[in-house]
Amino acid sequence: IQLTQSPSLLSASVGDRVTLSCKGSQNINNYLAWYQQKLGEAPKLLIYNTNSLQTGIPSRFSGSGSGTDYTLTISSLQPEDVATYFCYQYNNGWTFGGGTKLELK
Amino acid sequence: QVQLKESGPGLVQPSETLSLTCTVSGFSLTSYSVSWVRQPSGKGPEWMGRMWYDGDTAYNSALKSRLSISRDTSKNQVFLKMNSLQTDDTGTYYCTRDPAAYYFDYWGQGVMVTVSS
Repeated sequence: IQLTQSPSLLSASVGDRVTLSCKGSQNINNYLAWYQQKLGEAPKLLIYNTNSLQTGIPSRFSGSGSGTDYTLTISSLQPEDVATYFCYQYNNGWTFGGGTKLELK
Repeated sequence: QVQLKESGPGLVQPSETLSLTCTVSGFSLTSYSVSWVRQPSGKGPEWMGRMWYDGDTAYNSALKSRLSISRDTSKNQVFLKMNSLQTDDTGTYYCTRDPAAYYFDYWGQGVMVTVSS
């Protein structure tokens, strides 16, 4: 399954509601996770099984979706959220998307 | 607490073999699987292969002919060997804890590998 993330680059202001998209080439059956990767660091698990928040992750992060289309939402963007975000599916094999780079406007 | 740490050479000659070690703590290799994931600079990660908790292995079909993963449970270590390296194998290599072959919940810090003569 191939994953396409959009947009590839997103500029937003502190406090904005931000939505990142991930589209699969086939049905993912909700076996989708989101990772946050800050510069020079390993990816960090934010969301798994489409909408389950990993322990310790702020509640401003949420996930939704079904079928082939999934979304990561940050309800109120904070400066520390500047990072690249990857979606990842584990329904059929294990593949990552190409990433969305989130920067401050 | 759960920790994973990769070690190995930072520079490998083209056509040579890459050997990496992942040393884990805070969990048992007989209870959790460990996967290797690599990431070329500026690109998305790629799952390479898995050492299952029961000692079985699984590999990315694109890498299967070149890749071998093994472990030493007495030393809490998982090993990666990949042969015939080329320049497009350059990137950061991570080991990850892999509960039930779903998502990766803990990652090592990664080791940067450059394939160059």
